[in-house]
Amino acid sequence: NAGVTQTPKFRILKIGQSMTLQCTQDMNHNYMYWYRQDPGMGLKLIYYSVGAGITDKGEVPNGYNVSRSTTEDFPLRLELAAPSQTSVYFCASTDAGTVGGYTFGSGTRLTVV
Amino acid sequence: QKEVEQDPGPLSVPEGAIVSLNCTYSNSAFQYFMWYRQYSRKGPELLMYTYSSGNKEDGRFTAQVDKSSKYISLFIRDSQPSDSATYLCVLPESGGGADGLTFGKGTHLIIQP
Repeated sequence: NAGVTQTPKFRILKIGQSMTLQCTQDMNHNYMYWYRQDPGMGLKLIYYSVGAGITDKGEVPNGYNVSRSTTEDFPLRLELAAPSQTSVYFCASTDAGTVGGYTFGSGTRLTVV
Repeated sequence: QKEVEQDPGPLSVPEGAIVSLNCTYSNSAFQYFMWYRQYSRKGPELLMYTYSSGNKEDGRFTAQVDKSSKYISLFIRDSQPSDSATYLCVLPESGGGADGLTFGKGTHLIIQP
């Protein structure tokens, strides 16, 4: 059972470039999330989805977009990358009846130069 | 405002010691409380959760909640080098946590062999 898979693991972007961070889960979870983690800071919620076709903004959505066309996939799109988006990005998923039991991917380390 | 405060550490203790990790929170509406563990360059993983006030024990780990003082503790007995990680105090954004989790900044724990 793979759990939550994120690709790529590392990426360096130039200012103004765009990219998509991929996230796939094979646990048939309805809820999926994107967080970013900056050094010395707690994880901040970017976007989340409670099911296919439904997405909602989290605490720090500016500069990002998401889509949820299937239960399994929840890609995060960065448009016009900025140095402030240098961070580690984590995708997570959970099931409706699970108490706090989020399953996280191993993260994507993104550097914008 | 929902905030979770933790001492970032690092906290360094010798192997076999009892470790006490603590956090405080501001919003009295939280109904359950979680500890996540994050190893270096990995995603967070749920360690344990507890409802309301009181203690919950799981092997060498004990979670303690004092809702009257909004204080949460995690105790680790017979600490091992493999316990070296960052411990995150985590609360749900809402009752079920479907719309995300609020993370503390984490306490970096080092167990010296």
